[in-house]
Amino acid sequence: DTEVTQTPKHLVMGMTNKKSLKCEQHMGHRAMYWYKQKAKKPPELMFVYSYEKLSINESVPSRFSPECPNSSLLNLHLHALQPEDSALYLCASSQDPMNTEAFFGQGTRLTVV
Amino acid sequence: QKEVEQNSGPLSVPEGAIASLNCTYSDRGSQSFFWYRQYSGKSPELIMFIYSNGDKEDGRFTAQLNKASQYVSLLIRDSQPSDSATYLCAVNPAPGNTGKLIFGQGTTLQVKP
Repeated sequence: DTEVTQTPKHLVMGMTNKKSLKCEQHMGHRAMYWYKQKAKKPPELMFVYSYEKLSINESVPSRFSPECPNSSLLNLHLHALQPEDSALYLCASSQDPMNTEAFFGQGTRLTVV
Repeated sequence: QKEVEQNSGPLSVPEGAIASLNCTYSDRGSQSFFWYRQYSGKSPELIMFIYSNGDKEDGRFTAQLNKASQYVSLLIRDSQPSDSATYLCAVNPAPGNTGKLIFGQGTTLQVKP
């Protein structure tokens, strides 16, 4: 089973809203990732969690706040987003940071209005 | 800036032909290399990974790595219309223990019946 589950699949939010994206995996993976993908562009890394600790923040604005409550769950809290933040947000996991065979969830299509 | 370069295409091949997708990378210390397939509106799907120089075959797919030339390729034999997608090359740059992946821009493959 190589399943990474993301919810919701689609999200529309206003610039003053607070929302959260959720990601779950039950493969025993100890590295989890958030990527952002704009149309016709490749995924761009936002955050890496390694053994439930934040190990990489790719200079992401503070309106994006990641959280890893346990080894199976990863959240991305959103607050005061801008329309240019509209994108596909992808969660991924891999066995550990040394083994980067990463499996992606189906993504959350976010629209900021 | 560590980079991964791909020809954006589209690469058009007839059904049954061999499709050859190419990727170059700038970080000579890179150790892990991945090919993802992404259908329009979907998330990336891992189809091949390679760590050592040479060829690696899995069904109709062959990944080729030449670290001296900093070049990785993907061959798809007996191409099918269902192979029509964007193929993303991804590289785990040195030091290799961070979980980070850098993606190329992707090559769009069109397989014509």
